[in-house]
Amino acid sequence: DIHMTQSPTSLSAYVGDRVTISCRASQDISTYLAWFQQKSGKAPKPLIYAASSLESGVPSRFSGDGSGTDFTLTISSLQPEDFATYYCQQYDGYPYTFGQGTKLEIK
Amino acid sequence: QVQLVQSGAEVKEPGASVKVSCKASGYTFISRHISWVRQATGQGLQWLGWMDPESGNTGYAQKVRGRVTMTRDISTGTAYMELNSLRSEDTAVYFCARGPRYWGQGTLVTVSS
Repeated sequence: DIHMTQSPTSLSAYVGDRVTISCRASQDISTYLAWFQQKSGKAPKPLIYAASSLESGVPSRFSGDGSGTDFTLTISSLQPEDFATYYCQQYDGYPYTFGQGTKLEIK
Repeated sequence: QVQLVQSGAEVKEPGASVKVSCKASGYTFISRHISWVRQATGQGLQWLGWMDPESGNTGYAQKVRGRVTMTRDISTGTAYMELNSLRSEDTAVYFCARGPRYWGQGTLVTVSS
């Protein structure tokens, strides 16, 4: 199975800050990487697919980068509604696996 | 537009079975695999398995293999996930998904005596 490691697991930041979350795969997954935002009790909201493609309706302050084994999700200027938990997922091969999540909190 | 609509919340006793449905619309049902994912309260996302609606082929995560069955009804465009021999640790919200981009709204399954 492909293991996905996210860092950090928690992060405190101010509104307006630029933040970056990292995700590392245990083997080459090309660009078969998605990012999700989740707020408590809700379904994960897809943000990014194919490592860097922005889902329709997602604000342009979100961006994704990377290929192979190392990936990043960047929020250029945090807004109050961005405080949530973020997950990466590889979909290069079954079993599709998730990172453990990064909880983004207001400082 | 692609939509996945899941069945409602369930409460089951330990040892029972639960069957969650996921009705797909907005695309050709047999053209894309369906996956199932669950999330216990306060925990991360756990991938459970996949199904090819065209062939019926499936693959399951080791953690639930032997207790989970994924099936489909092509005539209605509905995928199903059945989990047997339920335990308290199976209490979670269960999601169906088509690839990484389309998700159902989730179904809470509570296992309690």
